[in-house]
Amino acid sequence: DIQMTQSPSSLSASVGDRVTITCRTSQRISNFLNWYQQKPGKAPKLLIYAASSLEGGVPSRFSGGGSETDFTLTISSLQPEDFATYYCQQTYSTPPLTFGGGTKVEI
Amino acid sequence: QVQLQEAGPGLVKPSQTLSLTCSVSGGFISTGSHYWTWIRQPAGKGLEWIGRVYASGSTSYNPSLGSRVTISVDSSKNQLSLQLTSVTAADTAVYYCARVANRNVRLDVWGQGTTVTVSS
Repeated sequence: DIQMTQSPSSLSASVGDRVTITCRTSQRISNFLNWYQQKPGKAPKLLIYAASSLEGGVPSRFSGGGSETDFTLTISSLQPEDFATYYCQQTYSTPPLTFGGGTKVEI
Repeated sequence: QVQLQEAGPGLVKPSQTLSLTCSVSGGFISTGSHYWTWIRQPAGKGLEWIGRVYASGSTSYNPSLGSRVTISVDSSKNQLSLQLTSVTAADTAVYYCARVANRNVRLDVWGQGTTVTVSS
C-alpha cells in the first residue's frame, strides 16, 4: 500500500496568515491526490482533487500543488472558518483508499 | 443534491455484529459515474477506509479488516449497508458513508456520520 505522510501534524496560525501543509507519498503517484477539510463533529469535505483542481464551491484561497511524491495544500489568507483538520488522500492505487494522518490548523 | 444518511445502533456488544445502513436521497444509487464507500474514524484519530461497493454489487475491502466486513447495495431501497462481525473495542468509531466519483476517485458527498461504540 502507498504510505502517506503529512507534515506538520499540527500548526498554529493567525487569521490572514499564509499556511502550507505538505503530504509526501511512499511512491510516485503523478497527480493522483485529493485534499479534504474536516471540522470538529463534521464529515470531511472535498477541497482539491487531482492535486490542484479546486472542487466547486471551494474558496479560491485554497490551492493545491505538487506531483509524484510531494504535494502541498496552501491557504493564501487564513480565515476563521478555515481552522480545521486537513487530510490528503491518494487515488493512484486503489483499493485501498489511503489517507494521510491529518494536519490540524489551530489558532 | 445528493444526500447520504447513516443509521444503525449506537451501541454494539463485543463479539457481536455491527450493522449500518446508508440511505441515498436526491439521486440514485445506481449511477455509472460513482460508487459508494464506508470510512471510519476513531475518536481523535484519522480516517480509515473500510471498503467500497458498486451499484452492480461488486465489492473491495480493506485487508486489515479481513473477512469481518461485508458491504452491499440495495438499489430498490436506494441504500447501502455495512456489516462488521466479531467487533471489539477497537471498532469503536464514527462511521461515514460517502459517494466516490469514478473520475479522480474523489469522495464528493459524505453522510454526517454515525457513532458506534463497542462495549458490554
